[in-house]
Amino acid sequence: EPEVTQTPSHQVTQMGQEVILRCVPISNHLYFYWYRQILGQKVEFLVSFYNNEISEKSEIFDDQFSVERPDGSNFTLKIRSTKLEDSAMYFCASSAARGQETQYFGPGTRLLVL
Amino acid sequence: GENVEQHPSTLSVQEGDSAVIKCTYSDSASNYFPWYKQELGKRPQLIIDIRSNVGEKKDQRIAVTLNKTAKHFSLHITETQPEDSAVYFCAGGYNKLIFGAGTRLAVHP
Repeated sequence: EPEVTQTPSHQVTQMGQEVILRCVPISNHLYFYWYRQILGQKVEFLVSFYNNEISEKSEIFDDQFSVERPDGSNFTLKIRSTKLEDSAMYFCASSAARGQETQYFGPGTRLLVL
Repeated sequence: GENVEQHPSTLSVQEGDSAVIKCTYSDSASNYFPWYKQELGKRPQLIIDIRSNVGEKKDQRIAVTLNKTAKHFSLHITETQPEDSAVYFCAGGYNKLIFGAGTRLAVHP
C-alpha cells in the first residue's frame, strides 16, 4: 500500500538556522498538507497546497515558513530562522482530492531547536 | 474561530468493555470527520471516518456517529483489547483538518 514518506526522521538544529523538511506524498495525490504536533499536544494544521500554490494557511504559518514542490514528487517545508518554540513533530499529509477525502499522514520529522 | 472539543482527555477501561469518546465542532462548513489512533512516537493512523451525508458508520468493533444539527460526533469501540490502548484524536473540517486535544485510552487486561 502506498505511503507518505518523510525525511529526515529527526533533525537537531541551532536557533536561527534554516531547516528544510522533506516529504514524498502518495504518487497520485493532488493535495498536500503540513501539520505539527508539539510534544504531548494536539495536531495543528499549518498549510495546505494544491496546484503549486498555497490554498490555505494557519496563523502559525508566518513569514518564517514556506512550502515548495520542487519537482514531481517532493514537497518541502522550510523554516527560515528557527526558534525554540518550533521544536515539534512535523507531519506531512496528502489526499487525492479536497473536502471529504482521507488525508494520509507521513511518519513525521521530529525537529529539536536548541 | 474553528475549534474541535474532545472528551474525555483520559479513559481507562477493562478489557472487553466499551469505550466512547465524544467531540463537538464549531465550523458549520465541516463535512468530514476522521478519527485517528496515535501510538507513542508514531504517525496518526486513520481508523474510521464519516462524511456529513451519513449519520452512522461501523467497521467491526469501531463505530462512529454524527449529529450535524448538534455538531457532535462520537467514537465507539466495543470489546476493547489491550492493543487498543493509544491516544485517539477526532478531527473535523473541509480540506484542512482541525484536531481535538486527544483522548488517552488505557485498556487494562
